[in-house]
Amino acid sequence: DIQMTQSPSSLSASVGDRVTITCRASQSVATHLNWYQQKPGKAPQVLIYKATILQSGVPSRFSGSGYGTDFTLTISSLQPEDFATYFCQQSFYSLQNTFGRGTKLEI
Amino acid sequence: EVQLLESGGGLARPGGSLRLSCTASGFSFSSSLMSWIRQSPGRGLEWVSTLSGGGESTTYAESVKGRFTVSRDNFNSMFYLHVNNLRAEDTAVYHCAKAEYYYGSGSFYFDQWGQGTLVTVSS
Repeated sequence: DIQMTQSPSSLSASVGDRVTITCRASQSVATHLNWYQQKPGKAPQVLIYKATILQSGVPSRFSGSGYGTDFTLTISSLQPEDFATYFCQQSFYSLQNTFGRGTKLEI
Repeated sequence: EVQLLESGGGLARPGGSLRLSCTASGFSFSSSLMSWIRQSPGRGLEWVSTLSGGGESTTYAESVKGRFTVSRDNFNSMFYLHVNNLRAEDTAVYHCAKAEYYYGSGSFYFDQWGQGTLVTVSS
C-alpha cells in the first residue's frame, strides 16, 4: 500500500509568516497529489489539486509544488483564517486514494 | 451553492448494519462522481468508495470490500452507503464528497464535502 507522510505533524506560526508543509509518498504519484484544509467541526475543503493547480476561489497565497514523491504546500503570508489542519492525498492509485495524517497549523 | 448533507449515522452493534444517506443539491448530480470518505482519530481520513455518475462503475477500499455497498438515486439526487457486518474499526465520521476528474485523466480529487454523519460501533 502507498503511504503518505506529512511533516511536520504540527506547526506554530504567526500572522504574516511564510509556511511550508511537506508531503512524501512512499511511491511515485507523478503529479496526482491534492491538498485540503479542514477547520474544527467543518468538512475539508480542497485547496490545490494535481500538485500545483489552485482550486477556484482559493486565495493566491496558497501554492503547491512537487513531482513524484515529494510535495510542498506553501502559504506565502499567513492570515488568521488559515489556522487549520492540512491534509495531502494521492489520487494516482485510485483504489487507495490515500490521505496523509495531517499538519495542524496553530498560532 | 453546492450542498451535501449526510444522515443515517448512529450507534450500531458489531455485526450490525446501517444505511447512510447523502442529500445533494446545487450541481448536476447525475453526471457527478460521488464518494464516501470516513474520518476517525485513529485512522485519519480514509477513502471508502466511489461511484460513477450513471452508477455503472464502483470502487471500494480493501478494508470495506464485501461489507459496504454504494448506490445512488439520480432522480432524487441521493447517494447511499449501505454498511454491513460492522466492526469497531468502522467507527468514524462518514463524509460524502463530490469528486472531479483531473482533465484528461482517470484520477480525481474531492472538490465538495459534506460535514459528515457519525457511526459508532460498540456493544
